[in-house]
Amino acid sequence: GIQVEQSPPDLILQEGANSTLRCNFSDSVNNLQWFHQNPWGQLINLFYIPSGTKQNGRLSATTVATERYSLLYISSSQTTDSGVYFCAVTPYKLVFGAGTILRVKS
Amino acid sequence: KAGVTQTPRYLIKTRGQQVTLSCSPISGHRSVSWYQQTPGQGLQFLFEYFSETQRNKGNFPGRFSGRQFSNSRSEMNVSTLELGDSALYLCASSLGGSGVYEQYFGPGTRLTVT
Repeated sequence: GIQVEQSPPDLILQEGANSTLRCNFSDSVNNLQWFHQNPWGQLINLFYIPSGTKQNGRLSATTVATERYSLLYISSSQTTDSGVYFCAVTPYKLVFGAGTILRVKS
Repeated sequence: KAGVTQTPRYLIKTRGQQVTLSCSPISGHRSVSWYQQTPGQGLQFLFEYFSETQRNKGNFPGRFSGRQFSNSRSEMNVSTLELGDSALYLCASSLGGSGVYEQYFGPGTRLTVT
């Protein structure tokens, strides 16, 4: 089945720093989503981005479907950005990567 | 518009018992998918229902089952619970099939099996 790899697995930032999270996938997909999982376990939708570039405030994402990768940019990070970030792709179901654990220190 | 709701939020069961979890999708959404999250295996797909029919199934034993009602609400059942079934169970809803439409997740049910 399709494989999803996220990097880096862990990331520690100082408040105000910028970061880039990467998601590689092994086959063509219908859909790609980025999620932020909060400490209570809820998956918050960040982007639905099968291709192209989107921005939402301090966050933006780019998916290059032909090269099978997606990037999530976080600018001017805040402590509330801490948590786990997941990339998930769909052939017909969501296949999740292992996630990136982000810790933002004040 | 209200989000996806799941009940109960927390559950403690004993090995051998069975459990039923409930999920109410966003109004107008007809597809409901279930996922299991554990520290060792990450997030894994259980099954998807659309218009009361199971469309896709993940690689889980037959002890895991589900159904969907005419109002799109869904339930999943786990029979003969094992310690390894302790997990966060997440439900997601989408307008149509999960292959194309954006999925939205509920807050999850945290199941502990003792």
